[in-house]
Amino acid sequence: GDSVTQMEGPVTLSEEAFLTINCTYTATGYPSLFWYVQYPGEGLQLLLKATKADDKGSNKGFEATYRKETTSFHLEKGSVQVSDSAVYFCALGPRGNQGGKLIFGQGTELSVKP
Amino acid sequence: EPEVTQTPSHQVTQMGQEVILRCVPISNHLYFYWYRQILGQKVEFLVSFYNNEISEKSEIFDDQFSVERPDGSNFTLKIRSTKLEDSAMYFCASSDEVREFFGPGTRLTVL
Repeated sequence: GDSVTQMEGPVTLSEEAFLTINCTYTATGYPSLFWYVQYPGEGLQLLLKATKADDKGSNKGFEATYRKETTSFHLEKGSVQVSDSAVYFCALGPRGNQGGKLIFGQGTELSVKP
Repeated sequence: EPEVTQTPSHQVTQMGQEVILRCVPISNHLYFYWYRQILGQKVEFLVSFYNNEISEKSEIFDDQFSVERPDGSNFTLKIRSTKLEDSAMYFCASSDEVREFFGPGTRLTVL
């Protein structure tokens, strides 16, 4: 069945460091791909998404490119801030996410130190 | 931004007891979901609900689980006889066909 694998955390970085969180997926068909973020005590929030191959999702300085050839959707940010400390979840869903379930990776905790 | 709300934020119950977790989805959404996350594990899909019926459910969602939208605003998850392994964070979500919005979760602890 479909699945998502993320790099294990926790990831600890200094402020202004470059961030990469790896995510690979296995899916039949052509899923949409998502990154969700969970700040302490809060629910999951959509960070960015891409709906087809070579699409780049971006938001708040974060980017991820849908790579069909490597079945990857790695999350990157050029300069992290303390406020980026959170748990990041990679997920896949049906094309257009029209009422379909999401399949999540295990989450990667990011801790950014000043 | 509109938000999904969930109550209670934390529920403690004894094994074998029934629990009802409550969610208020965003008002004009049509698709509703429950997910759970056992501590340290993945967020797992439980069930999706559309047009007043279950549209998909996972193997986790057995006869002990049920969902209901009793009054057009609330969306509830009932666990009839809780087990220790039901201890988890339960997330409700609703969708407008473009994106899913998640609630903050209910932490269920079964003793």
